[in-house]
Amino acid sequence: DQQVKQNSPSLSVQEGRISILNCDYTNSMFDYFLWYKKYPAEGPTFLISISSIKDKNEDGRFTVFLNKSAKHLSLHIVPSQPGDSAVYFCAASSNTGKLIFGQGTTLQVKP
Amino acid sequence: GAVVSQHPSWVICKSGTSVKIECRSLDFQATTMFWYRQFPKQSLMLMATSNEGSKATYEQGVEKDKFLINHASLTLSTLTVTSAHPEDSSFYICSARDNGYGYTFGSGTRLTVV
Repeated sequence: DQQVKQNSPSLSVQEGRISILNCDYTNSMFDYFLWYKKYPAEGPTFLISISSIKDKNEDGRFTVFLNKSAKHLSLHIVPSQPGDSAVYFCAASSNTGKLIFGQGTTLQVKP
Repeated sequence: GAVVSQHPSWVICKSGTSVKIECRSLDFQATTMFWYRQFPKQSLMLMATSNEGSKATYEQGVEKDKFLINHASLTLSTLTVTSAHPEDSSFYICSARDNGYGYTFGSGTRLTVV
């Protein structure tokens, strides 16, 4: 049972445009959501997070939106840069502290 | 910021041998650490939750006798893959919850069993 889903395995955008990565979840007990960036053979790097009491969190070029009623969150990157090319994972946690990851979306930003 | 050191970064071992992977929180105490496994082009799958001073909690389907986890101190957790087989070849990653609400990940260990 995949509790966190990233239905788009890949996304390609032009440099300077907006990248939108989507994530859906099924467990209503999740109360904290995170986005990570990952390169092959490396550990994930934290990007941005959002608590379930908020619907938006912004940090520089990165903004995360949370729609609790739809159990959906998204990561917006604007403007996209070639260095943003990587695999992006969304993750969710509840009061257990465990992080449950989505399958990842490979983002390619073309110069 | 919080740093988690994971060693070794890669290891090749013969089938039937055991391999130990270490995960250390360098600048904070971690009462709980987590171990993940990632197959190529797949998600990070939680294997177990490592609790300092007590037994690890394993996720469903993870063999606790094969993946031995020890969390002997507030800064060190180890994962030992016992009697390794080629199907155990994977990328193993640890993480620790820091003093805030964040999760810091190690750099991962690429295990290849030949």
